[in-house]
Amino acid sequence: QQPVQSPQAVILREGEDAVINCSSSKALYSVHWYRQKHGEAPVFLMILLKGGEQKGHEKISASFNEKKQQSSLYLTASQLSYSGTYFCGTVPGYQKVTFGTGTKLQVIP
Amino acid sequence: EAQVTQNPRYLITVTGKKLTVTCSQNMNHEYMSWYRQDPGLGLRQIYYSMNVEVTDKGDVPEGYKVSRKEKRNFPLILESPSPNQTSLYFCASSLWQDTDTQYFGPGTRLTVL
Repeated sequence: QQPVQSPQAVILREGEDAVINCSSSKALYSVHWYRQKHGEAPVFLMILLKGGEQKGHEKISASFNEKKQQSSLYLTASQLSYSGTYFCGTVPGYQKVTFGTGTKLQVIP
Repeated sequence: EAQVTQNPRYLITVTGKKLTVTCSQNMNHEYMSWYRQDPGLGLRQIYYSMNVEVTDKGDVPEGYKVSRKEKRNFPLILESPSPNQTSLYFCASSLWQDTDTQYFGPGTRLTVL
């Protein structure tokens, strides 16, 4: 069962903030976030583990609510380079990663 | 340089003509997997391998085969390709399947006529 991401697409102006949500129907052990630029392979952003701390990557951070089986990715003061499709990947307890359908983010000047 | 390589990068073929897409990693990773990416459907796993000679089906395995005879290589085989297998394919590897970064290859764009 693929996790559900929302929104499916979002357009931002440079400097604006965005939140991308990822929700699973299963209890989760970890959540992975990747970004894919057009025509390229997905690239790792961060992993959040059950019981772990909120992780950050420059101006991109994420949280993991184990009870709600949800994760959110926060992009602050967005830059043009943030444009791309963001995928969350969920891991229900020592199993393989299952990726969501992606959120397409476009940052415009 | 640590990397995952795939070949070919682009392939146009006809229905029924067997093909193999190669995947190789130089990071001594245990876990390797194949994904297909289609518009609106995200990344869906085809097959994965926990180690040499250990492979298992992912979410969309029909029409595909894999093998893992060496740790570094994980080829994807389409014995009788059909047009619904037209897609963008990614190979990925990681040290572990659940808590480690996955490194993706550059992708193979396959068109089956």
